[in-house]
Amino acid sequence: SYELTQPLSVSVALGQTARLTCGGNDIENKNVHWYQQKPGQAPVLVMYRDSTRPSGIPERFSGSNSGNTATLTISRAQVGDEADFYCQVWDNSNAVLGGGTKLTVL
Amino acid sequence: QLHLVQSGAEVREPGASMKVSCTTSGYTFNIYGISWVRQAPGQGLEWMGWISGFNGNTNFAQKLHGRVTMTTDTFTSTAYMELRNLTSDDTAVYYCARVGLTNGFYFFDVWGQGTLVTVSS
Repeated sequence: SYELTQPLSVSVALGQTARLTCGGNDIENKNVHWYQQKPGQAPVLVMYRDSTRPSGIPERFSGSNSGNTATLTISRAQVGDEADFYCQVWDNSNAVLGGGTKLTVL
Repeated sequence: QLHLVQSGAEVREPGASMKVSCTTSGYTFNIYGISWVRQAPGQGLEWMGWISGFNGNTNFAQKLHGRVTMTTDTFTSTAYMELRNLTSDDTAVYYCARVGLTNGFYFFDVWGQGTLVTVSS
């Protein structure tokens, strides 16, 4: 079965750029979606089809997908960006979710 | 406004069944599907399966095959997820999420608030 690999944690200094990665075999051939989940809340879609931001998501969020790695980039990181982030793809009609990355803004 | 409102928390004994509802509003129910995702305490998200609001077609995660049923009521725009033969490993927050039915729109763009199900004797 298809697997997605995410680092357990990423730290970024306030105002700097955070890069959250999602690894998968030939992931560039799949549409990658990203979700942000803050403590005690339901997940929120922050990026779909690799690099498209839903309405209401700041332009500071961007996405890319190449080779075996998809990346969610958060520019000018804010304390309010702290959350768990999950990547997701579909494989053989099954949704596959990464294990999640905890983003800490220092 | 788009809303997915889930039923309230449940406590079940091992071996029992649970059924969570997800009532939708603000969009045409039968041109989207509903996926169910759960999250055990302190753990990540786990996809459970999905059901089409158009024709009721379903697909479930392999590990849940035989224990899970997903249904819809198009008259009330409500989706249901039933899980049987519960164990403590099924203790989790259960989420419903809207998913597109068209290629390129297979992402979860609206989520319910979550339903905590506790399995304990």
